[in-house]
Amino acid sequence: SQQGEEDPQALSIQEGENATMNCSYKTSINNLQWYRQNSGRGLVHLILIRSNEREKHSGRLRVTLDTSKKSSSLLITASRAADTASYFCATKETSGSRLTFGEGTQLTVNP
Amino acid sequence: DAGVIQSPRHEVTEMGQEVTLRCKPISGHDYLFWYRQTMMRGLELLIYFNNNVPIDDSGMPEDRFSAKMPNASFSTLKIQPSEPRDSAVYFCASTVGAHNEQFFGPGTRLTVL
Repeated sequence: SQQGEEDPQALSIQEGENATMNCSYKTSINNLQWYRQNSGRGLVHLILIRSNEREKHSGRLRVTLDTSKKSSSLLITASRAADTASYFCATKETSGSRLTFGEGTQLTVNP
Repeated sequence: DAGVIQSPRHEVTEMGQEVTLRCKPISGHDYLFWYRQTMMRGLELLIYFNNNVPIDDSGMPEDRFSAKMPNASFSTLKIQPSEPRDSAVYFCASTVGAHNEQFFGPGTRLTVL
């Protein structure tokens, strides 16, 4: 079964609004990563947050991690039509090298 | 660097045929991963290599699937014989170290008729 579960499955907003996506997971992790996938393309890494970090920023992206609740959120501020894509969280467990991906959130930003 | 390179980008074949997907990781990366993505099952890890050695192949669906990494710059994923349910997008990804972000190739869209 998938380690990460994203919520919501789909999100539609207007350009300029903020978008928040959530991810829950089940096991202990070394880090949690967020990826973006445009239609028909490969995944692109956005941001990595380690288990001892609570918040991280990168440009218009803000990621939080709550290890006690086993959850993470990705906030995209001042969204643009070009942000339209699927967003996946992926968890890296403490042992081994595999990433386990969630089912993704389909974000649509309307111009 | 050109990034992770996969070939072919699209493959259409008939049931029963052998399919070989190819991947060139980013130079210097010591981990290589093969994933499969479908609408029904999402993104699944099939197998990964470290320094050309297969480490975890528990995601390989059945004996019809095999993967090799003869050197640090090349890997193949082979399906023999192919079946319609193998239709999916297959991604290759590479990274440095066990805990870092992965770099994905553009994928191979496989259609088995």
